[in-house]
Amino acid sequence: NAGVTQTPKFQVLKTGQSMTLQCAQDMNHNSMYWYRQDPGMGLRLIYYSASEGTTDKGEVPNGYNVSRLNKREFSLRLESAAPSQTSVYFCASSARDSRFNYGYTFGSGTRLTVV
Amino acid sequence: AQSVSQHNHHVILSEAASLELGCNYSYGGTVNLFWYVQYPGQHLQLLLKYFSGDPLVKGIKGFEAEFIKSKFSFNLRKPSVQWSDTAEYFCAVNAKGGKLIFGQGTELSVKP
Repeated sequence: NAGVTQTPKFQVLKTGQSMTLQCAQDMNHNSMYWYRQDPGMGLRLIYYSASEGTTDKGEVPNGYNVSRLNKREFSLRLESAAPSQTSVYFCASSARDSRFNYGYTFGSGTRLTVV
Repeated sequence: AQSVSQHNHHVILSEAASLELGCNYSYGGTVNLFWYVQYPGQHLQLLLKYFSGDPLVKGIKGFEAEFIKSKFSFNLRKPSVQWSDTAEYFCAVNAKGGKLIFGQGTELSVKP
């Protein structure tokens, strides 16, 4: 059982380049999330998808776009990378119903450096 | 707006010392509360969670947390830490729309 799989694990981009971070889960979870982690700032939500076919902005969406391709896959795209987007990116998924969020399962992260 | 506050940014303990990490949250609805641990170079893993019922929750590796509704707190405890507990610890609360809001994290260093 792979859980949440993120690719790539490491990436170096030049300012202005674009790239897509891939995320897939095999736990039949309905909700998926993208966070970025920066020292001293914890995890900040970029975008999330509460269910297949829906996406919503989180706390720090500027400079990013997402696609919920199907129930399993949720990708994050940087259209024109900036040094401020240097960070570690985590994808997560969760099972939730109208009352409870049962907690996240995280992927192993993508360490992105923009030079 | 929902928020989570972790008061200790960096805690340094010797092995066998007791641990308590503070977490306070603000959220007006039904709370689900979580503690996650991130070992160096790894992703976050769930330590324990609270949904309802007994406010004292036991998790993996000897950790426990107590939900005190009147204080909006969910502090993490361990009676005796080990060097292998060196990690960063994150408290989280559910928010509107099913998201989790995370605290800024507490880095725990345990000296052998």
